[in-house]
Amino acid sequence: LAKTTQPISMDSYEGQEVNITCSHNNIATNDYITWYQQFPSQGPRFIIQGYKTKVTNEVASLFIPADRKSSTLSLPRVSLSDTAVYYCLVGGPYNQGGKLIFGQGTELSVKP
Amino acid sequence: EAGVAQSPRYKIIEKRQSVAFWCNPISGHATLYWYQQILGQGPKLLIQFQNNGVVDDSQLPKDRFSAERLKGVDSTLKIQPAKLEDSAVYLCASSAGRADSYEQYFGPGTRLTVT
Repeated sequence: LAKTTQPISMDSYEGQEVNITCSHNNIATNDYITWYQQFPSQGPRFIIQGYKTKVTNEVASLFIPADRKSSTLSLPRVSLSDTAVYYCLVGGPYNQGGKLIFGQGTELSVKP
Repeated sequence: EAGVAQSPRYKIIEKRQSVAFWCNPISGHATLYWYQQILGQGPKLLIQFQNNGVVDDSQLPKDRFSAERLKGVDSTLKIQPAKLEDSAVYLCASSAGRADSYEQYFGPGTRLTVT
């Protein structure tokens, strides 16, 4: 199983770029990397997904190096409302033996 | 588009009692997941359904937990008998079921307290 490791917490200020890294040393060939955001008393919300290189959408970018043993979620110009817990999820197709494993989460605190 | 619905939102029971949670996924979503999230931890997958068939229940404590998804739509998760360590938030999620997508839509969860 692809065990994931994330920093427990990070602090930032409004307007800064935040990079959160997730380590997944034994990621399988068929595994994808997905990031979620979770606010208190809510279910996680999908942010972005990637397999390799770089993926960008309207809210974030995801950088995955060639060896895929880690991934970095980049949040540009954070605001106070980005204060939340961020999880990486590594997993592959169930019909190929894939398992879905969430990280422990990184608690991001954005200050004014 | 309606989101994933779960009920109840909160439940308090005594140990050794039984409890059931209900989930209604987004219409048309083939894949349904049940997760357990203990305070301060990431969600742990308990069971994954593809339509009404189980595709992964490797982390489901089958001596006390059971789940079903009749007709490939709604699902129920049951715990019988409950233990103190079952206190957690139980999250239901659904996805369209594409093999290369893990974009899951989560419900608000059911917070279970076992006393």
